Amino acid sequence: DAGVTQSPTHLIKTRGQQVTLRCSPKSGHDTVSWYQQALGQGPQFIFQYYEEEERQRGNFPDRFSGHQFPNYSSELNVNALLLGDSALYLCASSLDRASGRASSYNEQFFGPGTRLTVL
Amino acid sequence: ELKVEQNPLFLSMQEGKNYTIYCNYSTTSDRLYWYRQDPGKSLESLFVLLSNGAVKQEGRLMASLDTKARLSTLHITAAVHDLSATYFCAVDIRGYFGNEKLTFGTGTRLTIIP
Repeated sequence: DAGVTQSPTHLIKTRGQQVTLRCSPKSGHDTVSWYQQALGQGPQFIFQYYEEEERQRGNFPDRFSGHQFPNYSSELNVNALLLGDSALYLCASSLDRASGRASSYNEQFFGPGTRLTVL
Repeated sequence: ELKVEQNPLFLSMQEGKNYTIYCNYSTTSDRLYWYRQDPGKSLESLFVLLSNGAVKQEGRLMASLDTKARLSTLHITAAVHDLSATYFCAVDIRGYFGNEKLTFGTGTRLTIIP
C-alpha cells in the first residue's frame, strides 16, 4: 500500500518565479492538506482540498493556490516567489469523515516533503 | 487564534536519563498528536491522544493528555541516542466541515549525549 508521495524532492527557484509541487495521497484517502515548514519551525497549515475544492485555508497570501484532481492527487502552486518561501512543503492525506469509512478521528498521513529553495 | 507552545525548545540530555517535554495549547481541542522529525525528513506519527486522561506508551516514550489543563506531556525514559530528533505536538482544530486542521507547536530539539 503506497503511502503519500510528493514530487519533486528538491527544487531551486529564483525570486519572482512560479513553482508547482505535487502530491499523491495514500491509497483510499480523499482529502489533501498542505503545510509549510520553515527552517527551525513547526509546520504551518496552508490549505486543504476535498472533492476538488479548497475547503479550509490558513493565513497565507493568494500567491499560494492549489488544485485537487478527480483521482484525489493535488498540486500546490506558488507565484511570485519570495526568499521567505524557502521551506519544506509537506502534503498530508486523510479520509473525510463524511465518507463513513473514517475512524473517530481521521489522522493525517504526511508525505516525505518537497524542499524548496528560493535564491 | 489557537496557540500551541512547547518547552523546552532545546533539550540536551545524557543517555539513561529521564525527561519530559511539555505541550500547552490555548483553546479546547478534540485531540492531540505527537510527531518525531529527523533532520531533513518528514513527520513520523508517534501518538494520537483522543480524550482527557489518555496515556499511550511506545518503547521509551510515553504521552499523556490533560484536556482540562490543556496540557500534554511526552516523557522519555532511560534515553538512548536513537531518540535524538525534533519532537512536535500538534493540536486538532476541527474545521467547519469537520476535518482536521493541525496547529503545530514550535518543536523540541532533543539531543541525547552518549
